[in-house]
Amino acid sequence: EDKVVQSPLSLVVHEGDTVTLNCSYEVTNFRSLLWYKQEKKAPTFLFMLTSSGIEKKSGRLSSILDKKELSSILNITATQTGDSAIYLCAVYRSGNTPLVFGKGTRLSVIA
Amino acid sequence: NAGVTQTPKFRILKIGQSMTLQCTQDMNHNYMYWYRQDPGMGLKLIYYSVGAGITDKGEVPNGYNVSRSTTEDFPLRLELAAPSQTSVYFCASSTEGGVFFGQGTRLTVV
Repeated sequence: EDKVVQSPLSLVVHEGDTVTLNCSYEVTNFRSLLWYKQEKKAPTFLFMLTSSGIEKKSGRLSSILDKKELSSILNITATQTGDSAIYLCAVYRSGNTPLVFGKGTRLSVIA
Repeated sequence: NAGVTQTPKFRILKIGQSMTLQCTQDMNHNYMYWYRQDPGMGLKLIYYSVGAGITDKGEVPNGYNVSRSTTEDFPLRLELAAPSQTSVYFCASSTEGGVFFGQGTRLTVV
């Protein structure tokens, strides 16, 4: 059975800390991995990663896929209270199959 | 560009009532999904569709039905609402370039 596992499930840090969120996957016909940030409403897209191994960056956020380890990490440096959210990882597969989402990591950044 | 549009945004139902959550997308995406999200939790897939006329169950389909008569529309029907169906519902569509979410429907069953 295809699955996506995120860790930790929840995390509390102080402003300025650096955090690393993990996403591991066991799926057939992997195509790409996506990261989303969800605050109060719909998830918003952060990154799409493929087996190319290229790191993606956007401001204080960065992410990379390790195709050997079947995992991805999302790094957030110099965290701010506005980074508090649920971070979701999802995997795209080839063929007529739906996305597989992990359960998410709830990040709380306190001042 | 409207993207994925869900209606209504909020709804309160009484136990046993029925309703349809509407979802439409204007991006000509073949893949569409319905998820529910309980407080503080991740997304759970209810149903999905890979194209007009084709639907399949996700991990939590009980109590729900869907149809996909056109590429654009993917309504979700609750026939006999139960308190366990209190949740936020998200419709999404996807292409290889990414997944696009509607803004969600907050449903409360009392």
